[in-house]
Amino acid sequence: DAGVIQSPRHEVTEMGQEVTLRCKPISGHDYLFWYRQTMMRGLELLIYFNNNVPIDDSGMPEDRFSAKMPNASFSTLKIQPSEPRDSAVYFCASSLDPGAANTEAFFGQGTRLTVV
Amino acid sequence: RKEVEQDPGPFNVPEGATVAFNCTYSNSASQSFFWYRQDCRKEPKLLMSVYSSGNEDGRFTAQLNRASQYISLLIRDSKLSDSATYLCVVNPVNTGFQKLVFGTGTRLLVSP
Repeated sequence: DAGVIQSPRHEVTEMGQEVTLRCKPISGHDYLFWYRQTMMRGLELLIYFNNNVPIDDSGMPEDRFSAKMPNASFSTLKIQPSEPRDSAVYFCASSLDPGAANTEAFFGQGTRLTVV
Repeated sequence: RKEVEQDPGPFNVPEGATVAFNCTYSNSASQSFFWYRQDCRKEPKLLMSVYSSGNEDGRFTAQLNRASQYISLLIRDSKLSDSATYLCVVNPVNTGFQKLVFGTGTRLLVSP
């Protein structure tokens, strides 16, 4: 398996534009996580899915953020409209059972988003 | 109070030194604990799980203190390649589902 695949790797957009980040988890993993990382706040959990169902979206900053997982092999995180403070690295991760010992959550390489 | 707290560092140590990081967590019902490592501009990767009895993996030792709600990571005989950010990760109990909450990380710099 190629691992968790995120696209795009880099995104520069103007304030007010819609941004869509994409993630393909590792096949067979039933958990998918979206994180945002900044220098100030570290790695923040935005939302996670189990078997394509959103379980906890309490980390989503506001209504401008939305996430979907239409099937087991694809998820999107959308920001509409984008703002400069959304600039960060967005990571997607997938796992079998993240709470079990020695069960690793595998991260994609991240999408570096810059909103100008 | 944050769910997971770490000293951001940086910890500057010479090669061969022993260094220890602590991390505290707020949810006393938390069941699973991990240390992840993140290199500059890379994604986090699992370093080791943390077991109740403590566990060792080569030069790395992890310990859990449930009474005080903290976990620790000890690195012996530091190598230049150990320079990275070490992320404490906790899985707080959550209605039968599992999630991973990360600390902000502790930066380690090992110098020659």
